[in-house]
Amino acid sequence: RKEVEQDPGPFNVPEGATVAFNCTYSNSASQSFFWYRQDCRKEPKLLMSVYSSGNEDGRFTAQLNRASQYISLLIRDSKLSDSATYLCVVNMGWTNAGKSTFGDGTTLTVKP
Amino acid sequence: SQTIHQWPATLVQPVGSPLSLECTVEGTSNPNLYWYRQAAGRGLQLLFYSVGIGQISSEVPQNLSASRPQDRQFILSSKKLLLSDSGFYLCAWKETGGNYGYTFGSGTRLTVV
Repeated sequence: RKEVEQDPGPFNVPEGATVAFNCTYSNSASQSFFWYRQDCRKEPKLLMSVYSSGNEDGRFTAQLNRASQYISLLIRDSKLSDSATYLCVVNMGWTNAGKSTFGDGTTLTVKP
Repeated sequence: SQTIHQWPATLVQPVGSPLSLECTVEGTSNPNLYWYRQAAGRGLQLLFYSVGIGQISSEVPQNLSASRPQDRQFILSSKKLLLSDSGFYLCAWKETGGNYGYTFGSGTRLTVV
């Protein structure tokens, strides 16, 4: 079983749709969680951190469920520019040199 | 502000040739540094990380090596490239002591032919 698992998709949605991605992690000692966005043939870029209380940044909402060991990303009112691969990232914390484990990514295509 | 530079952007090398990829970080001190590789259509695989000068930890046994000769310089090397070394190589940094996200360099796309 992979340490971090994501539904690879692809998710094909029309503009304006709401779409949600889930990500599960296997290590209950994981300390911090992130969503990254990666455009085709580009480096990943940090989209948002995921906090225990849940957090929102504009159209994006991230949630963490430690009991069930999953995180989620909700995108409302999808834009064409949201088309990308979304990577779930789990960090084991400073005691592990801050190493992170990446999911393989979920591909989103937003269509006109 | 902090910036990370990685070069070259693209590289085509024959099998058996050496490799040297360089990464430098500006605007911070004593960062944690990382080398990742991403195969086509796949996720990121951690290759090496470093918490200080001369301190290198290897995550995956292979014919690659890494060095950190200066605080903000991280180098990925190989003496003899294999076809399987082709991929997208990404350098990243993060602050020490805390649960922070990475900042990645723009990557090197390596094709071994």
